[in-house]
Amino acid sequence: GQNIDQPTEMTATEGAIVQINCTYQTSGFNGLFWYQQHAGEAPTFLSYNVLDGLEEKGRFSSFLSRSKGYSYLLLKELQMKDSASYLCAVMDSNYQLIWGAGTKLIIKP
Amino acid sequence: IAGITQAPTSQILAAGRRMTLRCTQDMRHNAMYWYRQDLGLGLRLIHYSNTAGTTGKGEVPDGYSVSRANTDDFPLTLASAVPSQTSVYFCASSPDGSTDTQYFGPGTRLTVL
Repeated sequence: GQNIDQPTEMTATEGAIVQINCTYQTSGFNGLFWYQQHAGEAPTFLSYNVLDGLEEKGRFSSFLSRSKGYSYLLLKELQMKDSASYLCAVMDSNYQLIWGAGTKLIIKP
Repeated sequence: IAGITQAPTSQILAAGRRMTLRCTQDMRHNAMYWYRQDLGLGLRLIHYSNTAGTTGKGEVPDGYSVSRANTDDFPLTLASAVPSQTSVYFCASSPDGSTDTQYFGPGTRLTVL
């Protein structure tokens, strides 16, 4: 079956760095997405990786290793507004997104 | 309007009733999707449409139907609601349904009693 694993919850301190991991087993691979979802709101796109390596976008970076079925999202200089759930999703061979359950990130002052 | 809108925002429905959730986008995206989101689970695809006039089944299609008469609208119908359909429903769209980013509507919170 297809499976996306990510930690349920993480806690970090304002101003610090946090890494959210995602491992996957899917039927085919056409890219990996990270989305941010604030409580009660819609998911919003953060990043897309299809090749191995690191993609940097401001305070957020995303890494992919296809051979290991592994990705992480790195958030630097954490701000209180970064408190949200972070969703990892893999596009499979049918171009359908398979979603992880999300990691709830709690930022403490 | 800009982006994707969904209606209603929330709804409480008696079991056995018929309900249509509405979704409209003004970005001229070809592909549209319906997901449900339940606590502790990832988003699950219900139905999708890669272009107007075509639809396909996702991971959890039973009890739901969709239509795509034009590019902008993609309604989701529950023919006879059951309590297990209590969920938050998100509509999304993408330019052409391949590896494009999906953009989400604000969601509909549905409770079936």
